[in-house]
Amino acid sequence: AQRVTQPEKLLSVFKGAPVELKCNYSYSGSPELFWYVQYSRQRLQLLLRHISRESIKGFTADLNKGETSFHLKKPFAQEEDSAMYYCALKSTGNTPLVFGKGTRLSVIA
Amino acid sequence: GAGVSQTPSNKVTEKGKYVELRCDPISGHTALYWYRQSLGQGPEFLIYFQGTGAADDSGLPNDRFFAVRPEGSVSTLKIQRTERGDSAVYLCASSLGQTSADTQYFGPGTRLTVL
Repeated sequence: AQRVTQPEKLLSVFKGAPVELKCNYSYSGSPELFWYVQYSRQRLQLLLRHISRESIKGFTADLNKGETSFHLKKPFAQEEDSAMYYCALKSTGNTPLVFGKGTRLSVIA
Repeated sequence: GAGVSQTPSNKVTEKGKYVELRCDPISGHTALYWYRQSLGQGPEFLIYFQGTGAADDSGLPNDRFFAVRPEGSVSTLKIQRTERGDSAVYLCASSLGQTSADTQYFGPGTRLTVL
């Protein structure tokens, strides 16, 4: 069965501190992994995907197949990073996303 | 361009009533997904359309839930005999539907409250 686990419901960090949002997954095969973000009063939007191997807004995420993890990292948190973050996976093809329960990131000034 | 839109933004109904939720995908997107997000949870898949046909409806919780997309564009999610447990935010997403790499773009959601 496909499953995404985000162990932290809430993560609070000070501005300028490093951030790591954890994501572990369960999937028999080669999944595609994503991070979606939802800022206050805005819709859910794609932040980054593992196949792109890019950095968006200073965030990066590396797929570790051995540990079945896809943790989201940023070296220096900014106040505008405060939002709800969801890790998600899908199988290949046009298939639905399986989401974790989300982690609320609060960056304190 | 215009993103995915959903109407209404809020719907309050009484237990046992019938409701319809509408999704307007991004123009040209052939794939359309419905998700449901309960409080404190991530979005959970309900049904996926490719064009006019439901390619995967395995996420529909029971036969009270039904969705259509008759012309391959707008989709309507229909819930019969609503129950208090149906209260949630219903999200719609669309994608080009051409390749596995196509991004799913989400609408703002419809918040359904069943009293």
